Amino acid sequence: GEQVEQLPSILRVQEGSSASINCSYEDSASNYFPWYKQEPGENPKLIIDIRSNMERKQIQELIVLLDKKAKRFSLHITDTQPGDSAMYFCAASVNSGGSNAKLTFGKGTKLSVKS
Amino acid sequence: NSKVIQTPRYLVKGQGQKAKMRCIPEKGHPVVFWYQQNKNNEFKFLINFQNQEVLQQIDMTEKRFSAECPSNSPCSLEIQSSEAGDSALYLCASSLSGNERLFFGHGTKLSVL
Repeated sequence: GEQVEQLPSILRVQEGSSASINCSYEDSASNYFPWYKQEPGENPKLIIDIRSNMERKQIQELIVLLDKKAKRFSLHITDTQPGDSAMYFCAASVNSGGSNAKLTFGKGTKLSVKS
Repeated sequence: NSKVIQTPRYLVKGQGQKAKMRCIPEKGHPVVFWYQQNKNNEFKFLINFQNQEVLQQIDMTEKRFSAECPSNSPCSLEIQSSEAGDSALYLCASSLSGNERLFFGHGTKLSVL
């Protein structure tokens, strides 16, 4: 099955700076890549996603880049704020048009934003 | 607030006891997933359904775990004989289809003593 590697596992940044999280996948058929943010005691919340027909997507301060050749994708948070502190998870799935696609998650990145 | 409702939020069981948790998917979402998130925050896929039909499940689920999504009733995940290693957060998620966005509930935190 699909394997997703996520780095770094811990990331500490200063408020106002950028934070970057990198993921790689193995299955070249993977074509859907969501990112989830999970705060302590809370459910994982979808913050941004990208499909394989795109290379870049931005929602406010969140930027996702996808390099299909290298089988890598990344999340960039610009102008980080203390409220961005949380666990972040990348995931990948193969969307073949059916309903049995399942997400494979990375092991997570604990982001701490210091004010 | 999550539109996927999971109950109970916390569940404490002794080893060998049954543990049952429930999930009401977001209205209109026919596809339901169960994931286990361990103490290291790692996600493990357990099983998924479309309406009442099982789509995929892993070996662990086939042996000690049972799950169902009956029509007009909450979905459920039950561990027949809990083991210490089952202590984890069990997350239910739903989507319009398996290839669409997945929305998670708050989970059931199971502690097996």
